[in-house]
Amino acid sequence: AQKITQTQPGMFVQEKEAVTLDCTYDTSDPSYGLFWYKQPSSGEMIFLIYQGSYDQQNATEGRYSLNFQKARKSANLVISASQLGDSAMYFCAMREGQSAGGTSYGKLTFGQGTILTVHP
Amino acid sequence: EPEVTQTPSHQVTQMGQEVILRCVPISNHLYFYWYRQILGQKVEFLVSFYNNEISEKSEIFDDQFSVERPDGSNFTLKIRSTKLEDSAMYFCASSLQGGPRPQHFGDGTRLSIL
Repeated sequence: AQKITQTQPGMFVQEKEAVTLDCTYDTSDPSYGLFWYKQPSSGEMIFLIYQGSYDQQNATEGRYSLNFQKARKSANLVISASQLGDSAMYFCAMREGQSAGGTSYGKLTFGQGTILTVHP
Repeated sequence: EPEVTQTPSHQVTQMGQEVILRCVPISNHLYFYWYRQILGQKVEFLVSFYNNEISEKSEIFDDQFSVERPDGSNFTLKIRSTKLEDSAMYFCASSLQGGPRPQHFGDGTRLSIL
């Protein structure tokens, strides 16, 4: 079973509008972290935002916010006031706190990604 | 702000040759990782390294691959006898802690096998 699912292969948004990128996850670990990374066409991975499973409030970072719904196992990224420079691939990823052996080394598991295109 | 640096940015190698991809993690970080991204696909975990030894590896990370931290700063990925399917972007990442905390990625090395 997929641990991270991003169901939107591509999304389009008008400049200055808000957009939501979907991410659902699957884990039985009570301690985990959810991350969003941006990958522009140049290829680097840019960390955007992080949500811990025990965090009471949704994470926010400038124009990025994470709509964390723990019961539904979803961690959607909301980008407000989209800019042309936001056009990129966006990956949702999860890092579980405990491996099967009880020692955490925290590898990231990524979703398939969503290509966001911002139109002027 | 400290960052993870990777060299070279692009490596072109003949099939069957050995390559070494180099990374300098953030200086006070303790956990180190290599990931791979085949063109157009998702990022895949290869290996994690902690306390001078491999802590976890994926099924991709077979005997062809090895990692090393030869000194206090560098972290290398060696691929022996490269194959065409090894062509990918390779990312190094590091984090201060294990567990559910952010990892910081380098800009990647694009490996092209001819």
